[in-house]
Amino acid sequence: QKEVEQNSGPLSVPEGAIASLNCTYSDRVSQSFFWYRQYSGKSPELIMSIYSNGDKEDGRFTAQLNKASQYVSLLIRDSQPSDSATYLCAISGYSTLTFGKGTMLLVSP
Amino acid sequence: GAVVSQHPSRVICKSGTSVKIECRSLDFQATTMFWYRQFPKKSLMLMATSNEGSKATYEQGVEKDKFLINHASLTLSTLTVTSAHPEDSSFYICSARDPWTSGRDEQYFGPGTRLTVT
Repeated sequence: QKEVEQNSGPLSVPEGAIASLNCTYSDRVSQSFFWYRQYSGKSPELIMSIYSNGDKEDGRFTAQLNKASQYVSLLIRDSQPSDSATYLCAISGYSTLTFGKGTMLLVSP
Repeated sequence: GAVVSQHPSRVICKSGTSVKIECRSLDFQATTMFWYRQFPKKSLMLMATSNEGSKATYEQGVEKDKFLINHASLTLSTLTVTSAHPEDSSFYICSARDPWTSGRDEQYFGPGTRLTVT
């Protein structure tokens, strides 16, 4: 049984700050890792995928993966109020995704 | 990214009736689609994997006779909630993979269907 753990938050940061979201997982054979953003009442939106150890940057977002520590994180630079949402970490094995419960991020103006 | 649509976005039905939800991939062909359910303030729970032209694979604890899934074409999968009860009220979301352009195991979600059973 795969498990994905996230701090439920809320994580509160001021506008312009760096938000750091963390996720740990239990299944060592997982190969693919994703971050989804979900606004209240909406469906998840894929914002980052990462497959190998290290950092992957896309605009203001950086995903970090450490397979040895079974840890994946998401950094959001220059946080904006529009980034306020729940961020879901997901891992993949054999084509299905297992989601964490999500971390709520609140960015205050 | 790939675009996935769902219809209807909201539905209210009476207890004992059946409801059909459609999931369509708009700009790609999806050999595999997924159906999730999400209760308020909870994470997404995978209900079943829908494969075009074959039977769906249901997750443990999901009643296949209650949640009927049909994936008749490469762009359409349907979920029918049969004999709905108030405890089936939830947010149902489908997703799909574009095997030709998506990254490994990436899934793109439809906008979801909010079902309320009275």
